[in-house]
Amino acid sequence: SQKIEQNSEALNIQEGKTATLTCNYTNYSPAYLQWYRQDPGRGPVFLLLIRENEKEKRKERLKVTFDTTLKQSLFHITASQPADSATYLCAPNYGGATNKLIFGTGTLLAVQP
Amino acid sequence: GAVVSQHPSRVICKSGTSVKIECRSLDFQATTMFWYRQFPKQSLMLMATSNEGSKATYEQGVEKDKFLINHASLTLSTLTVTSAHPEDSSFYICSARPPTGEVNTFGSGTRLTVV
Repeated sequence: SQKIEQNSEALNIQEGKTATLTCNYTNYSPAYLQWYRQDPGRGPVFLLLIRENEKEKRKERLKVTFDTTLKQSLFHITASQPADSATYLCAPNYGGATNKLIFGTGTLLAVQP
Repeated sequence: GAVVSQHPSRVICKSGTSVKIECRSLDFQATTMFWYRQFPKQSLMLMATSNEGSKATYEQGVEKDKFLINHASLTLSTLTVTSAHPEDSSFYICSARPPTGEVNTFGSGTRLTVV
C-alpha cells in the first residue's frame, strides 16, 4: 500500500531562517500533491498544490517542489516567523472520481523568536 | 471561497450513548464528503467517503455499524458514533471539494470526549 512519510521529528528553527519540510511517498506518483497547515484543535487549511508535471510552485514566502524521480516533495518557508509555527501536512492525490486525500504523518514546525 | 461548517465543535457524552456530528458545505454542493479522525499527536486518518444518495465507502478497519454516515443532501453529511466508548474519544474532521475545484476544504473539527 502507498505510504506517505514526513519528518517525524519536530523541526525547530530560528526566526528569519528558512524552514524545509520533506514529504516522501512510495510506489507510484500522485497526479498532484497538496500541502496543508494545521493549528492545534483546528481543521487543516490549504496552502499550496503542485502537479505531477510541475517542478516548483511559489506563493509569497512559501515554495513547494516536486521530484517524481526521488518520489519527494519539499516545502519551504522563507524568512520564517513565530506565527508560522504549526503542523504541516502533505497530501498526495491520485485522482479518480472521489478525490479522497490521504495525509502524511505531519511535521511540527516551531519557529523560535 | 469554499466553506465547510462542522457542528458541534465540542461534545461530551456518556459511554454507551450515540453522538451525531454534522458537516455542511455552505456555498457549494458536494456529492462526496470525507470523514477523518485524528488522535493526539497523530495525523488525520481517513475513515470513510460519504456519497450523496448512496452508501458510504469505509476505509479498511473502520466499523460501518459503529460509525454511521448519512449524506441525504448535496450540502449535508452526518457522522453518528453509536454506542460510544472512551476509546472513541478523538478529533473528528470532515472535508469536501467544490465540483469545479481541486482543493478539499476542511471543517473546523469536533472534539468528542466519551466519559
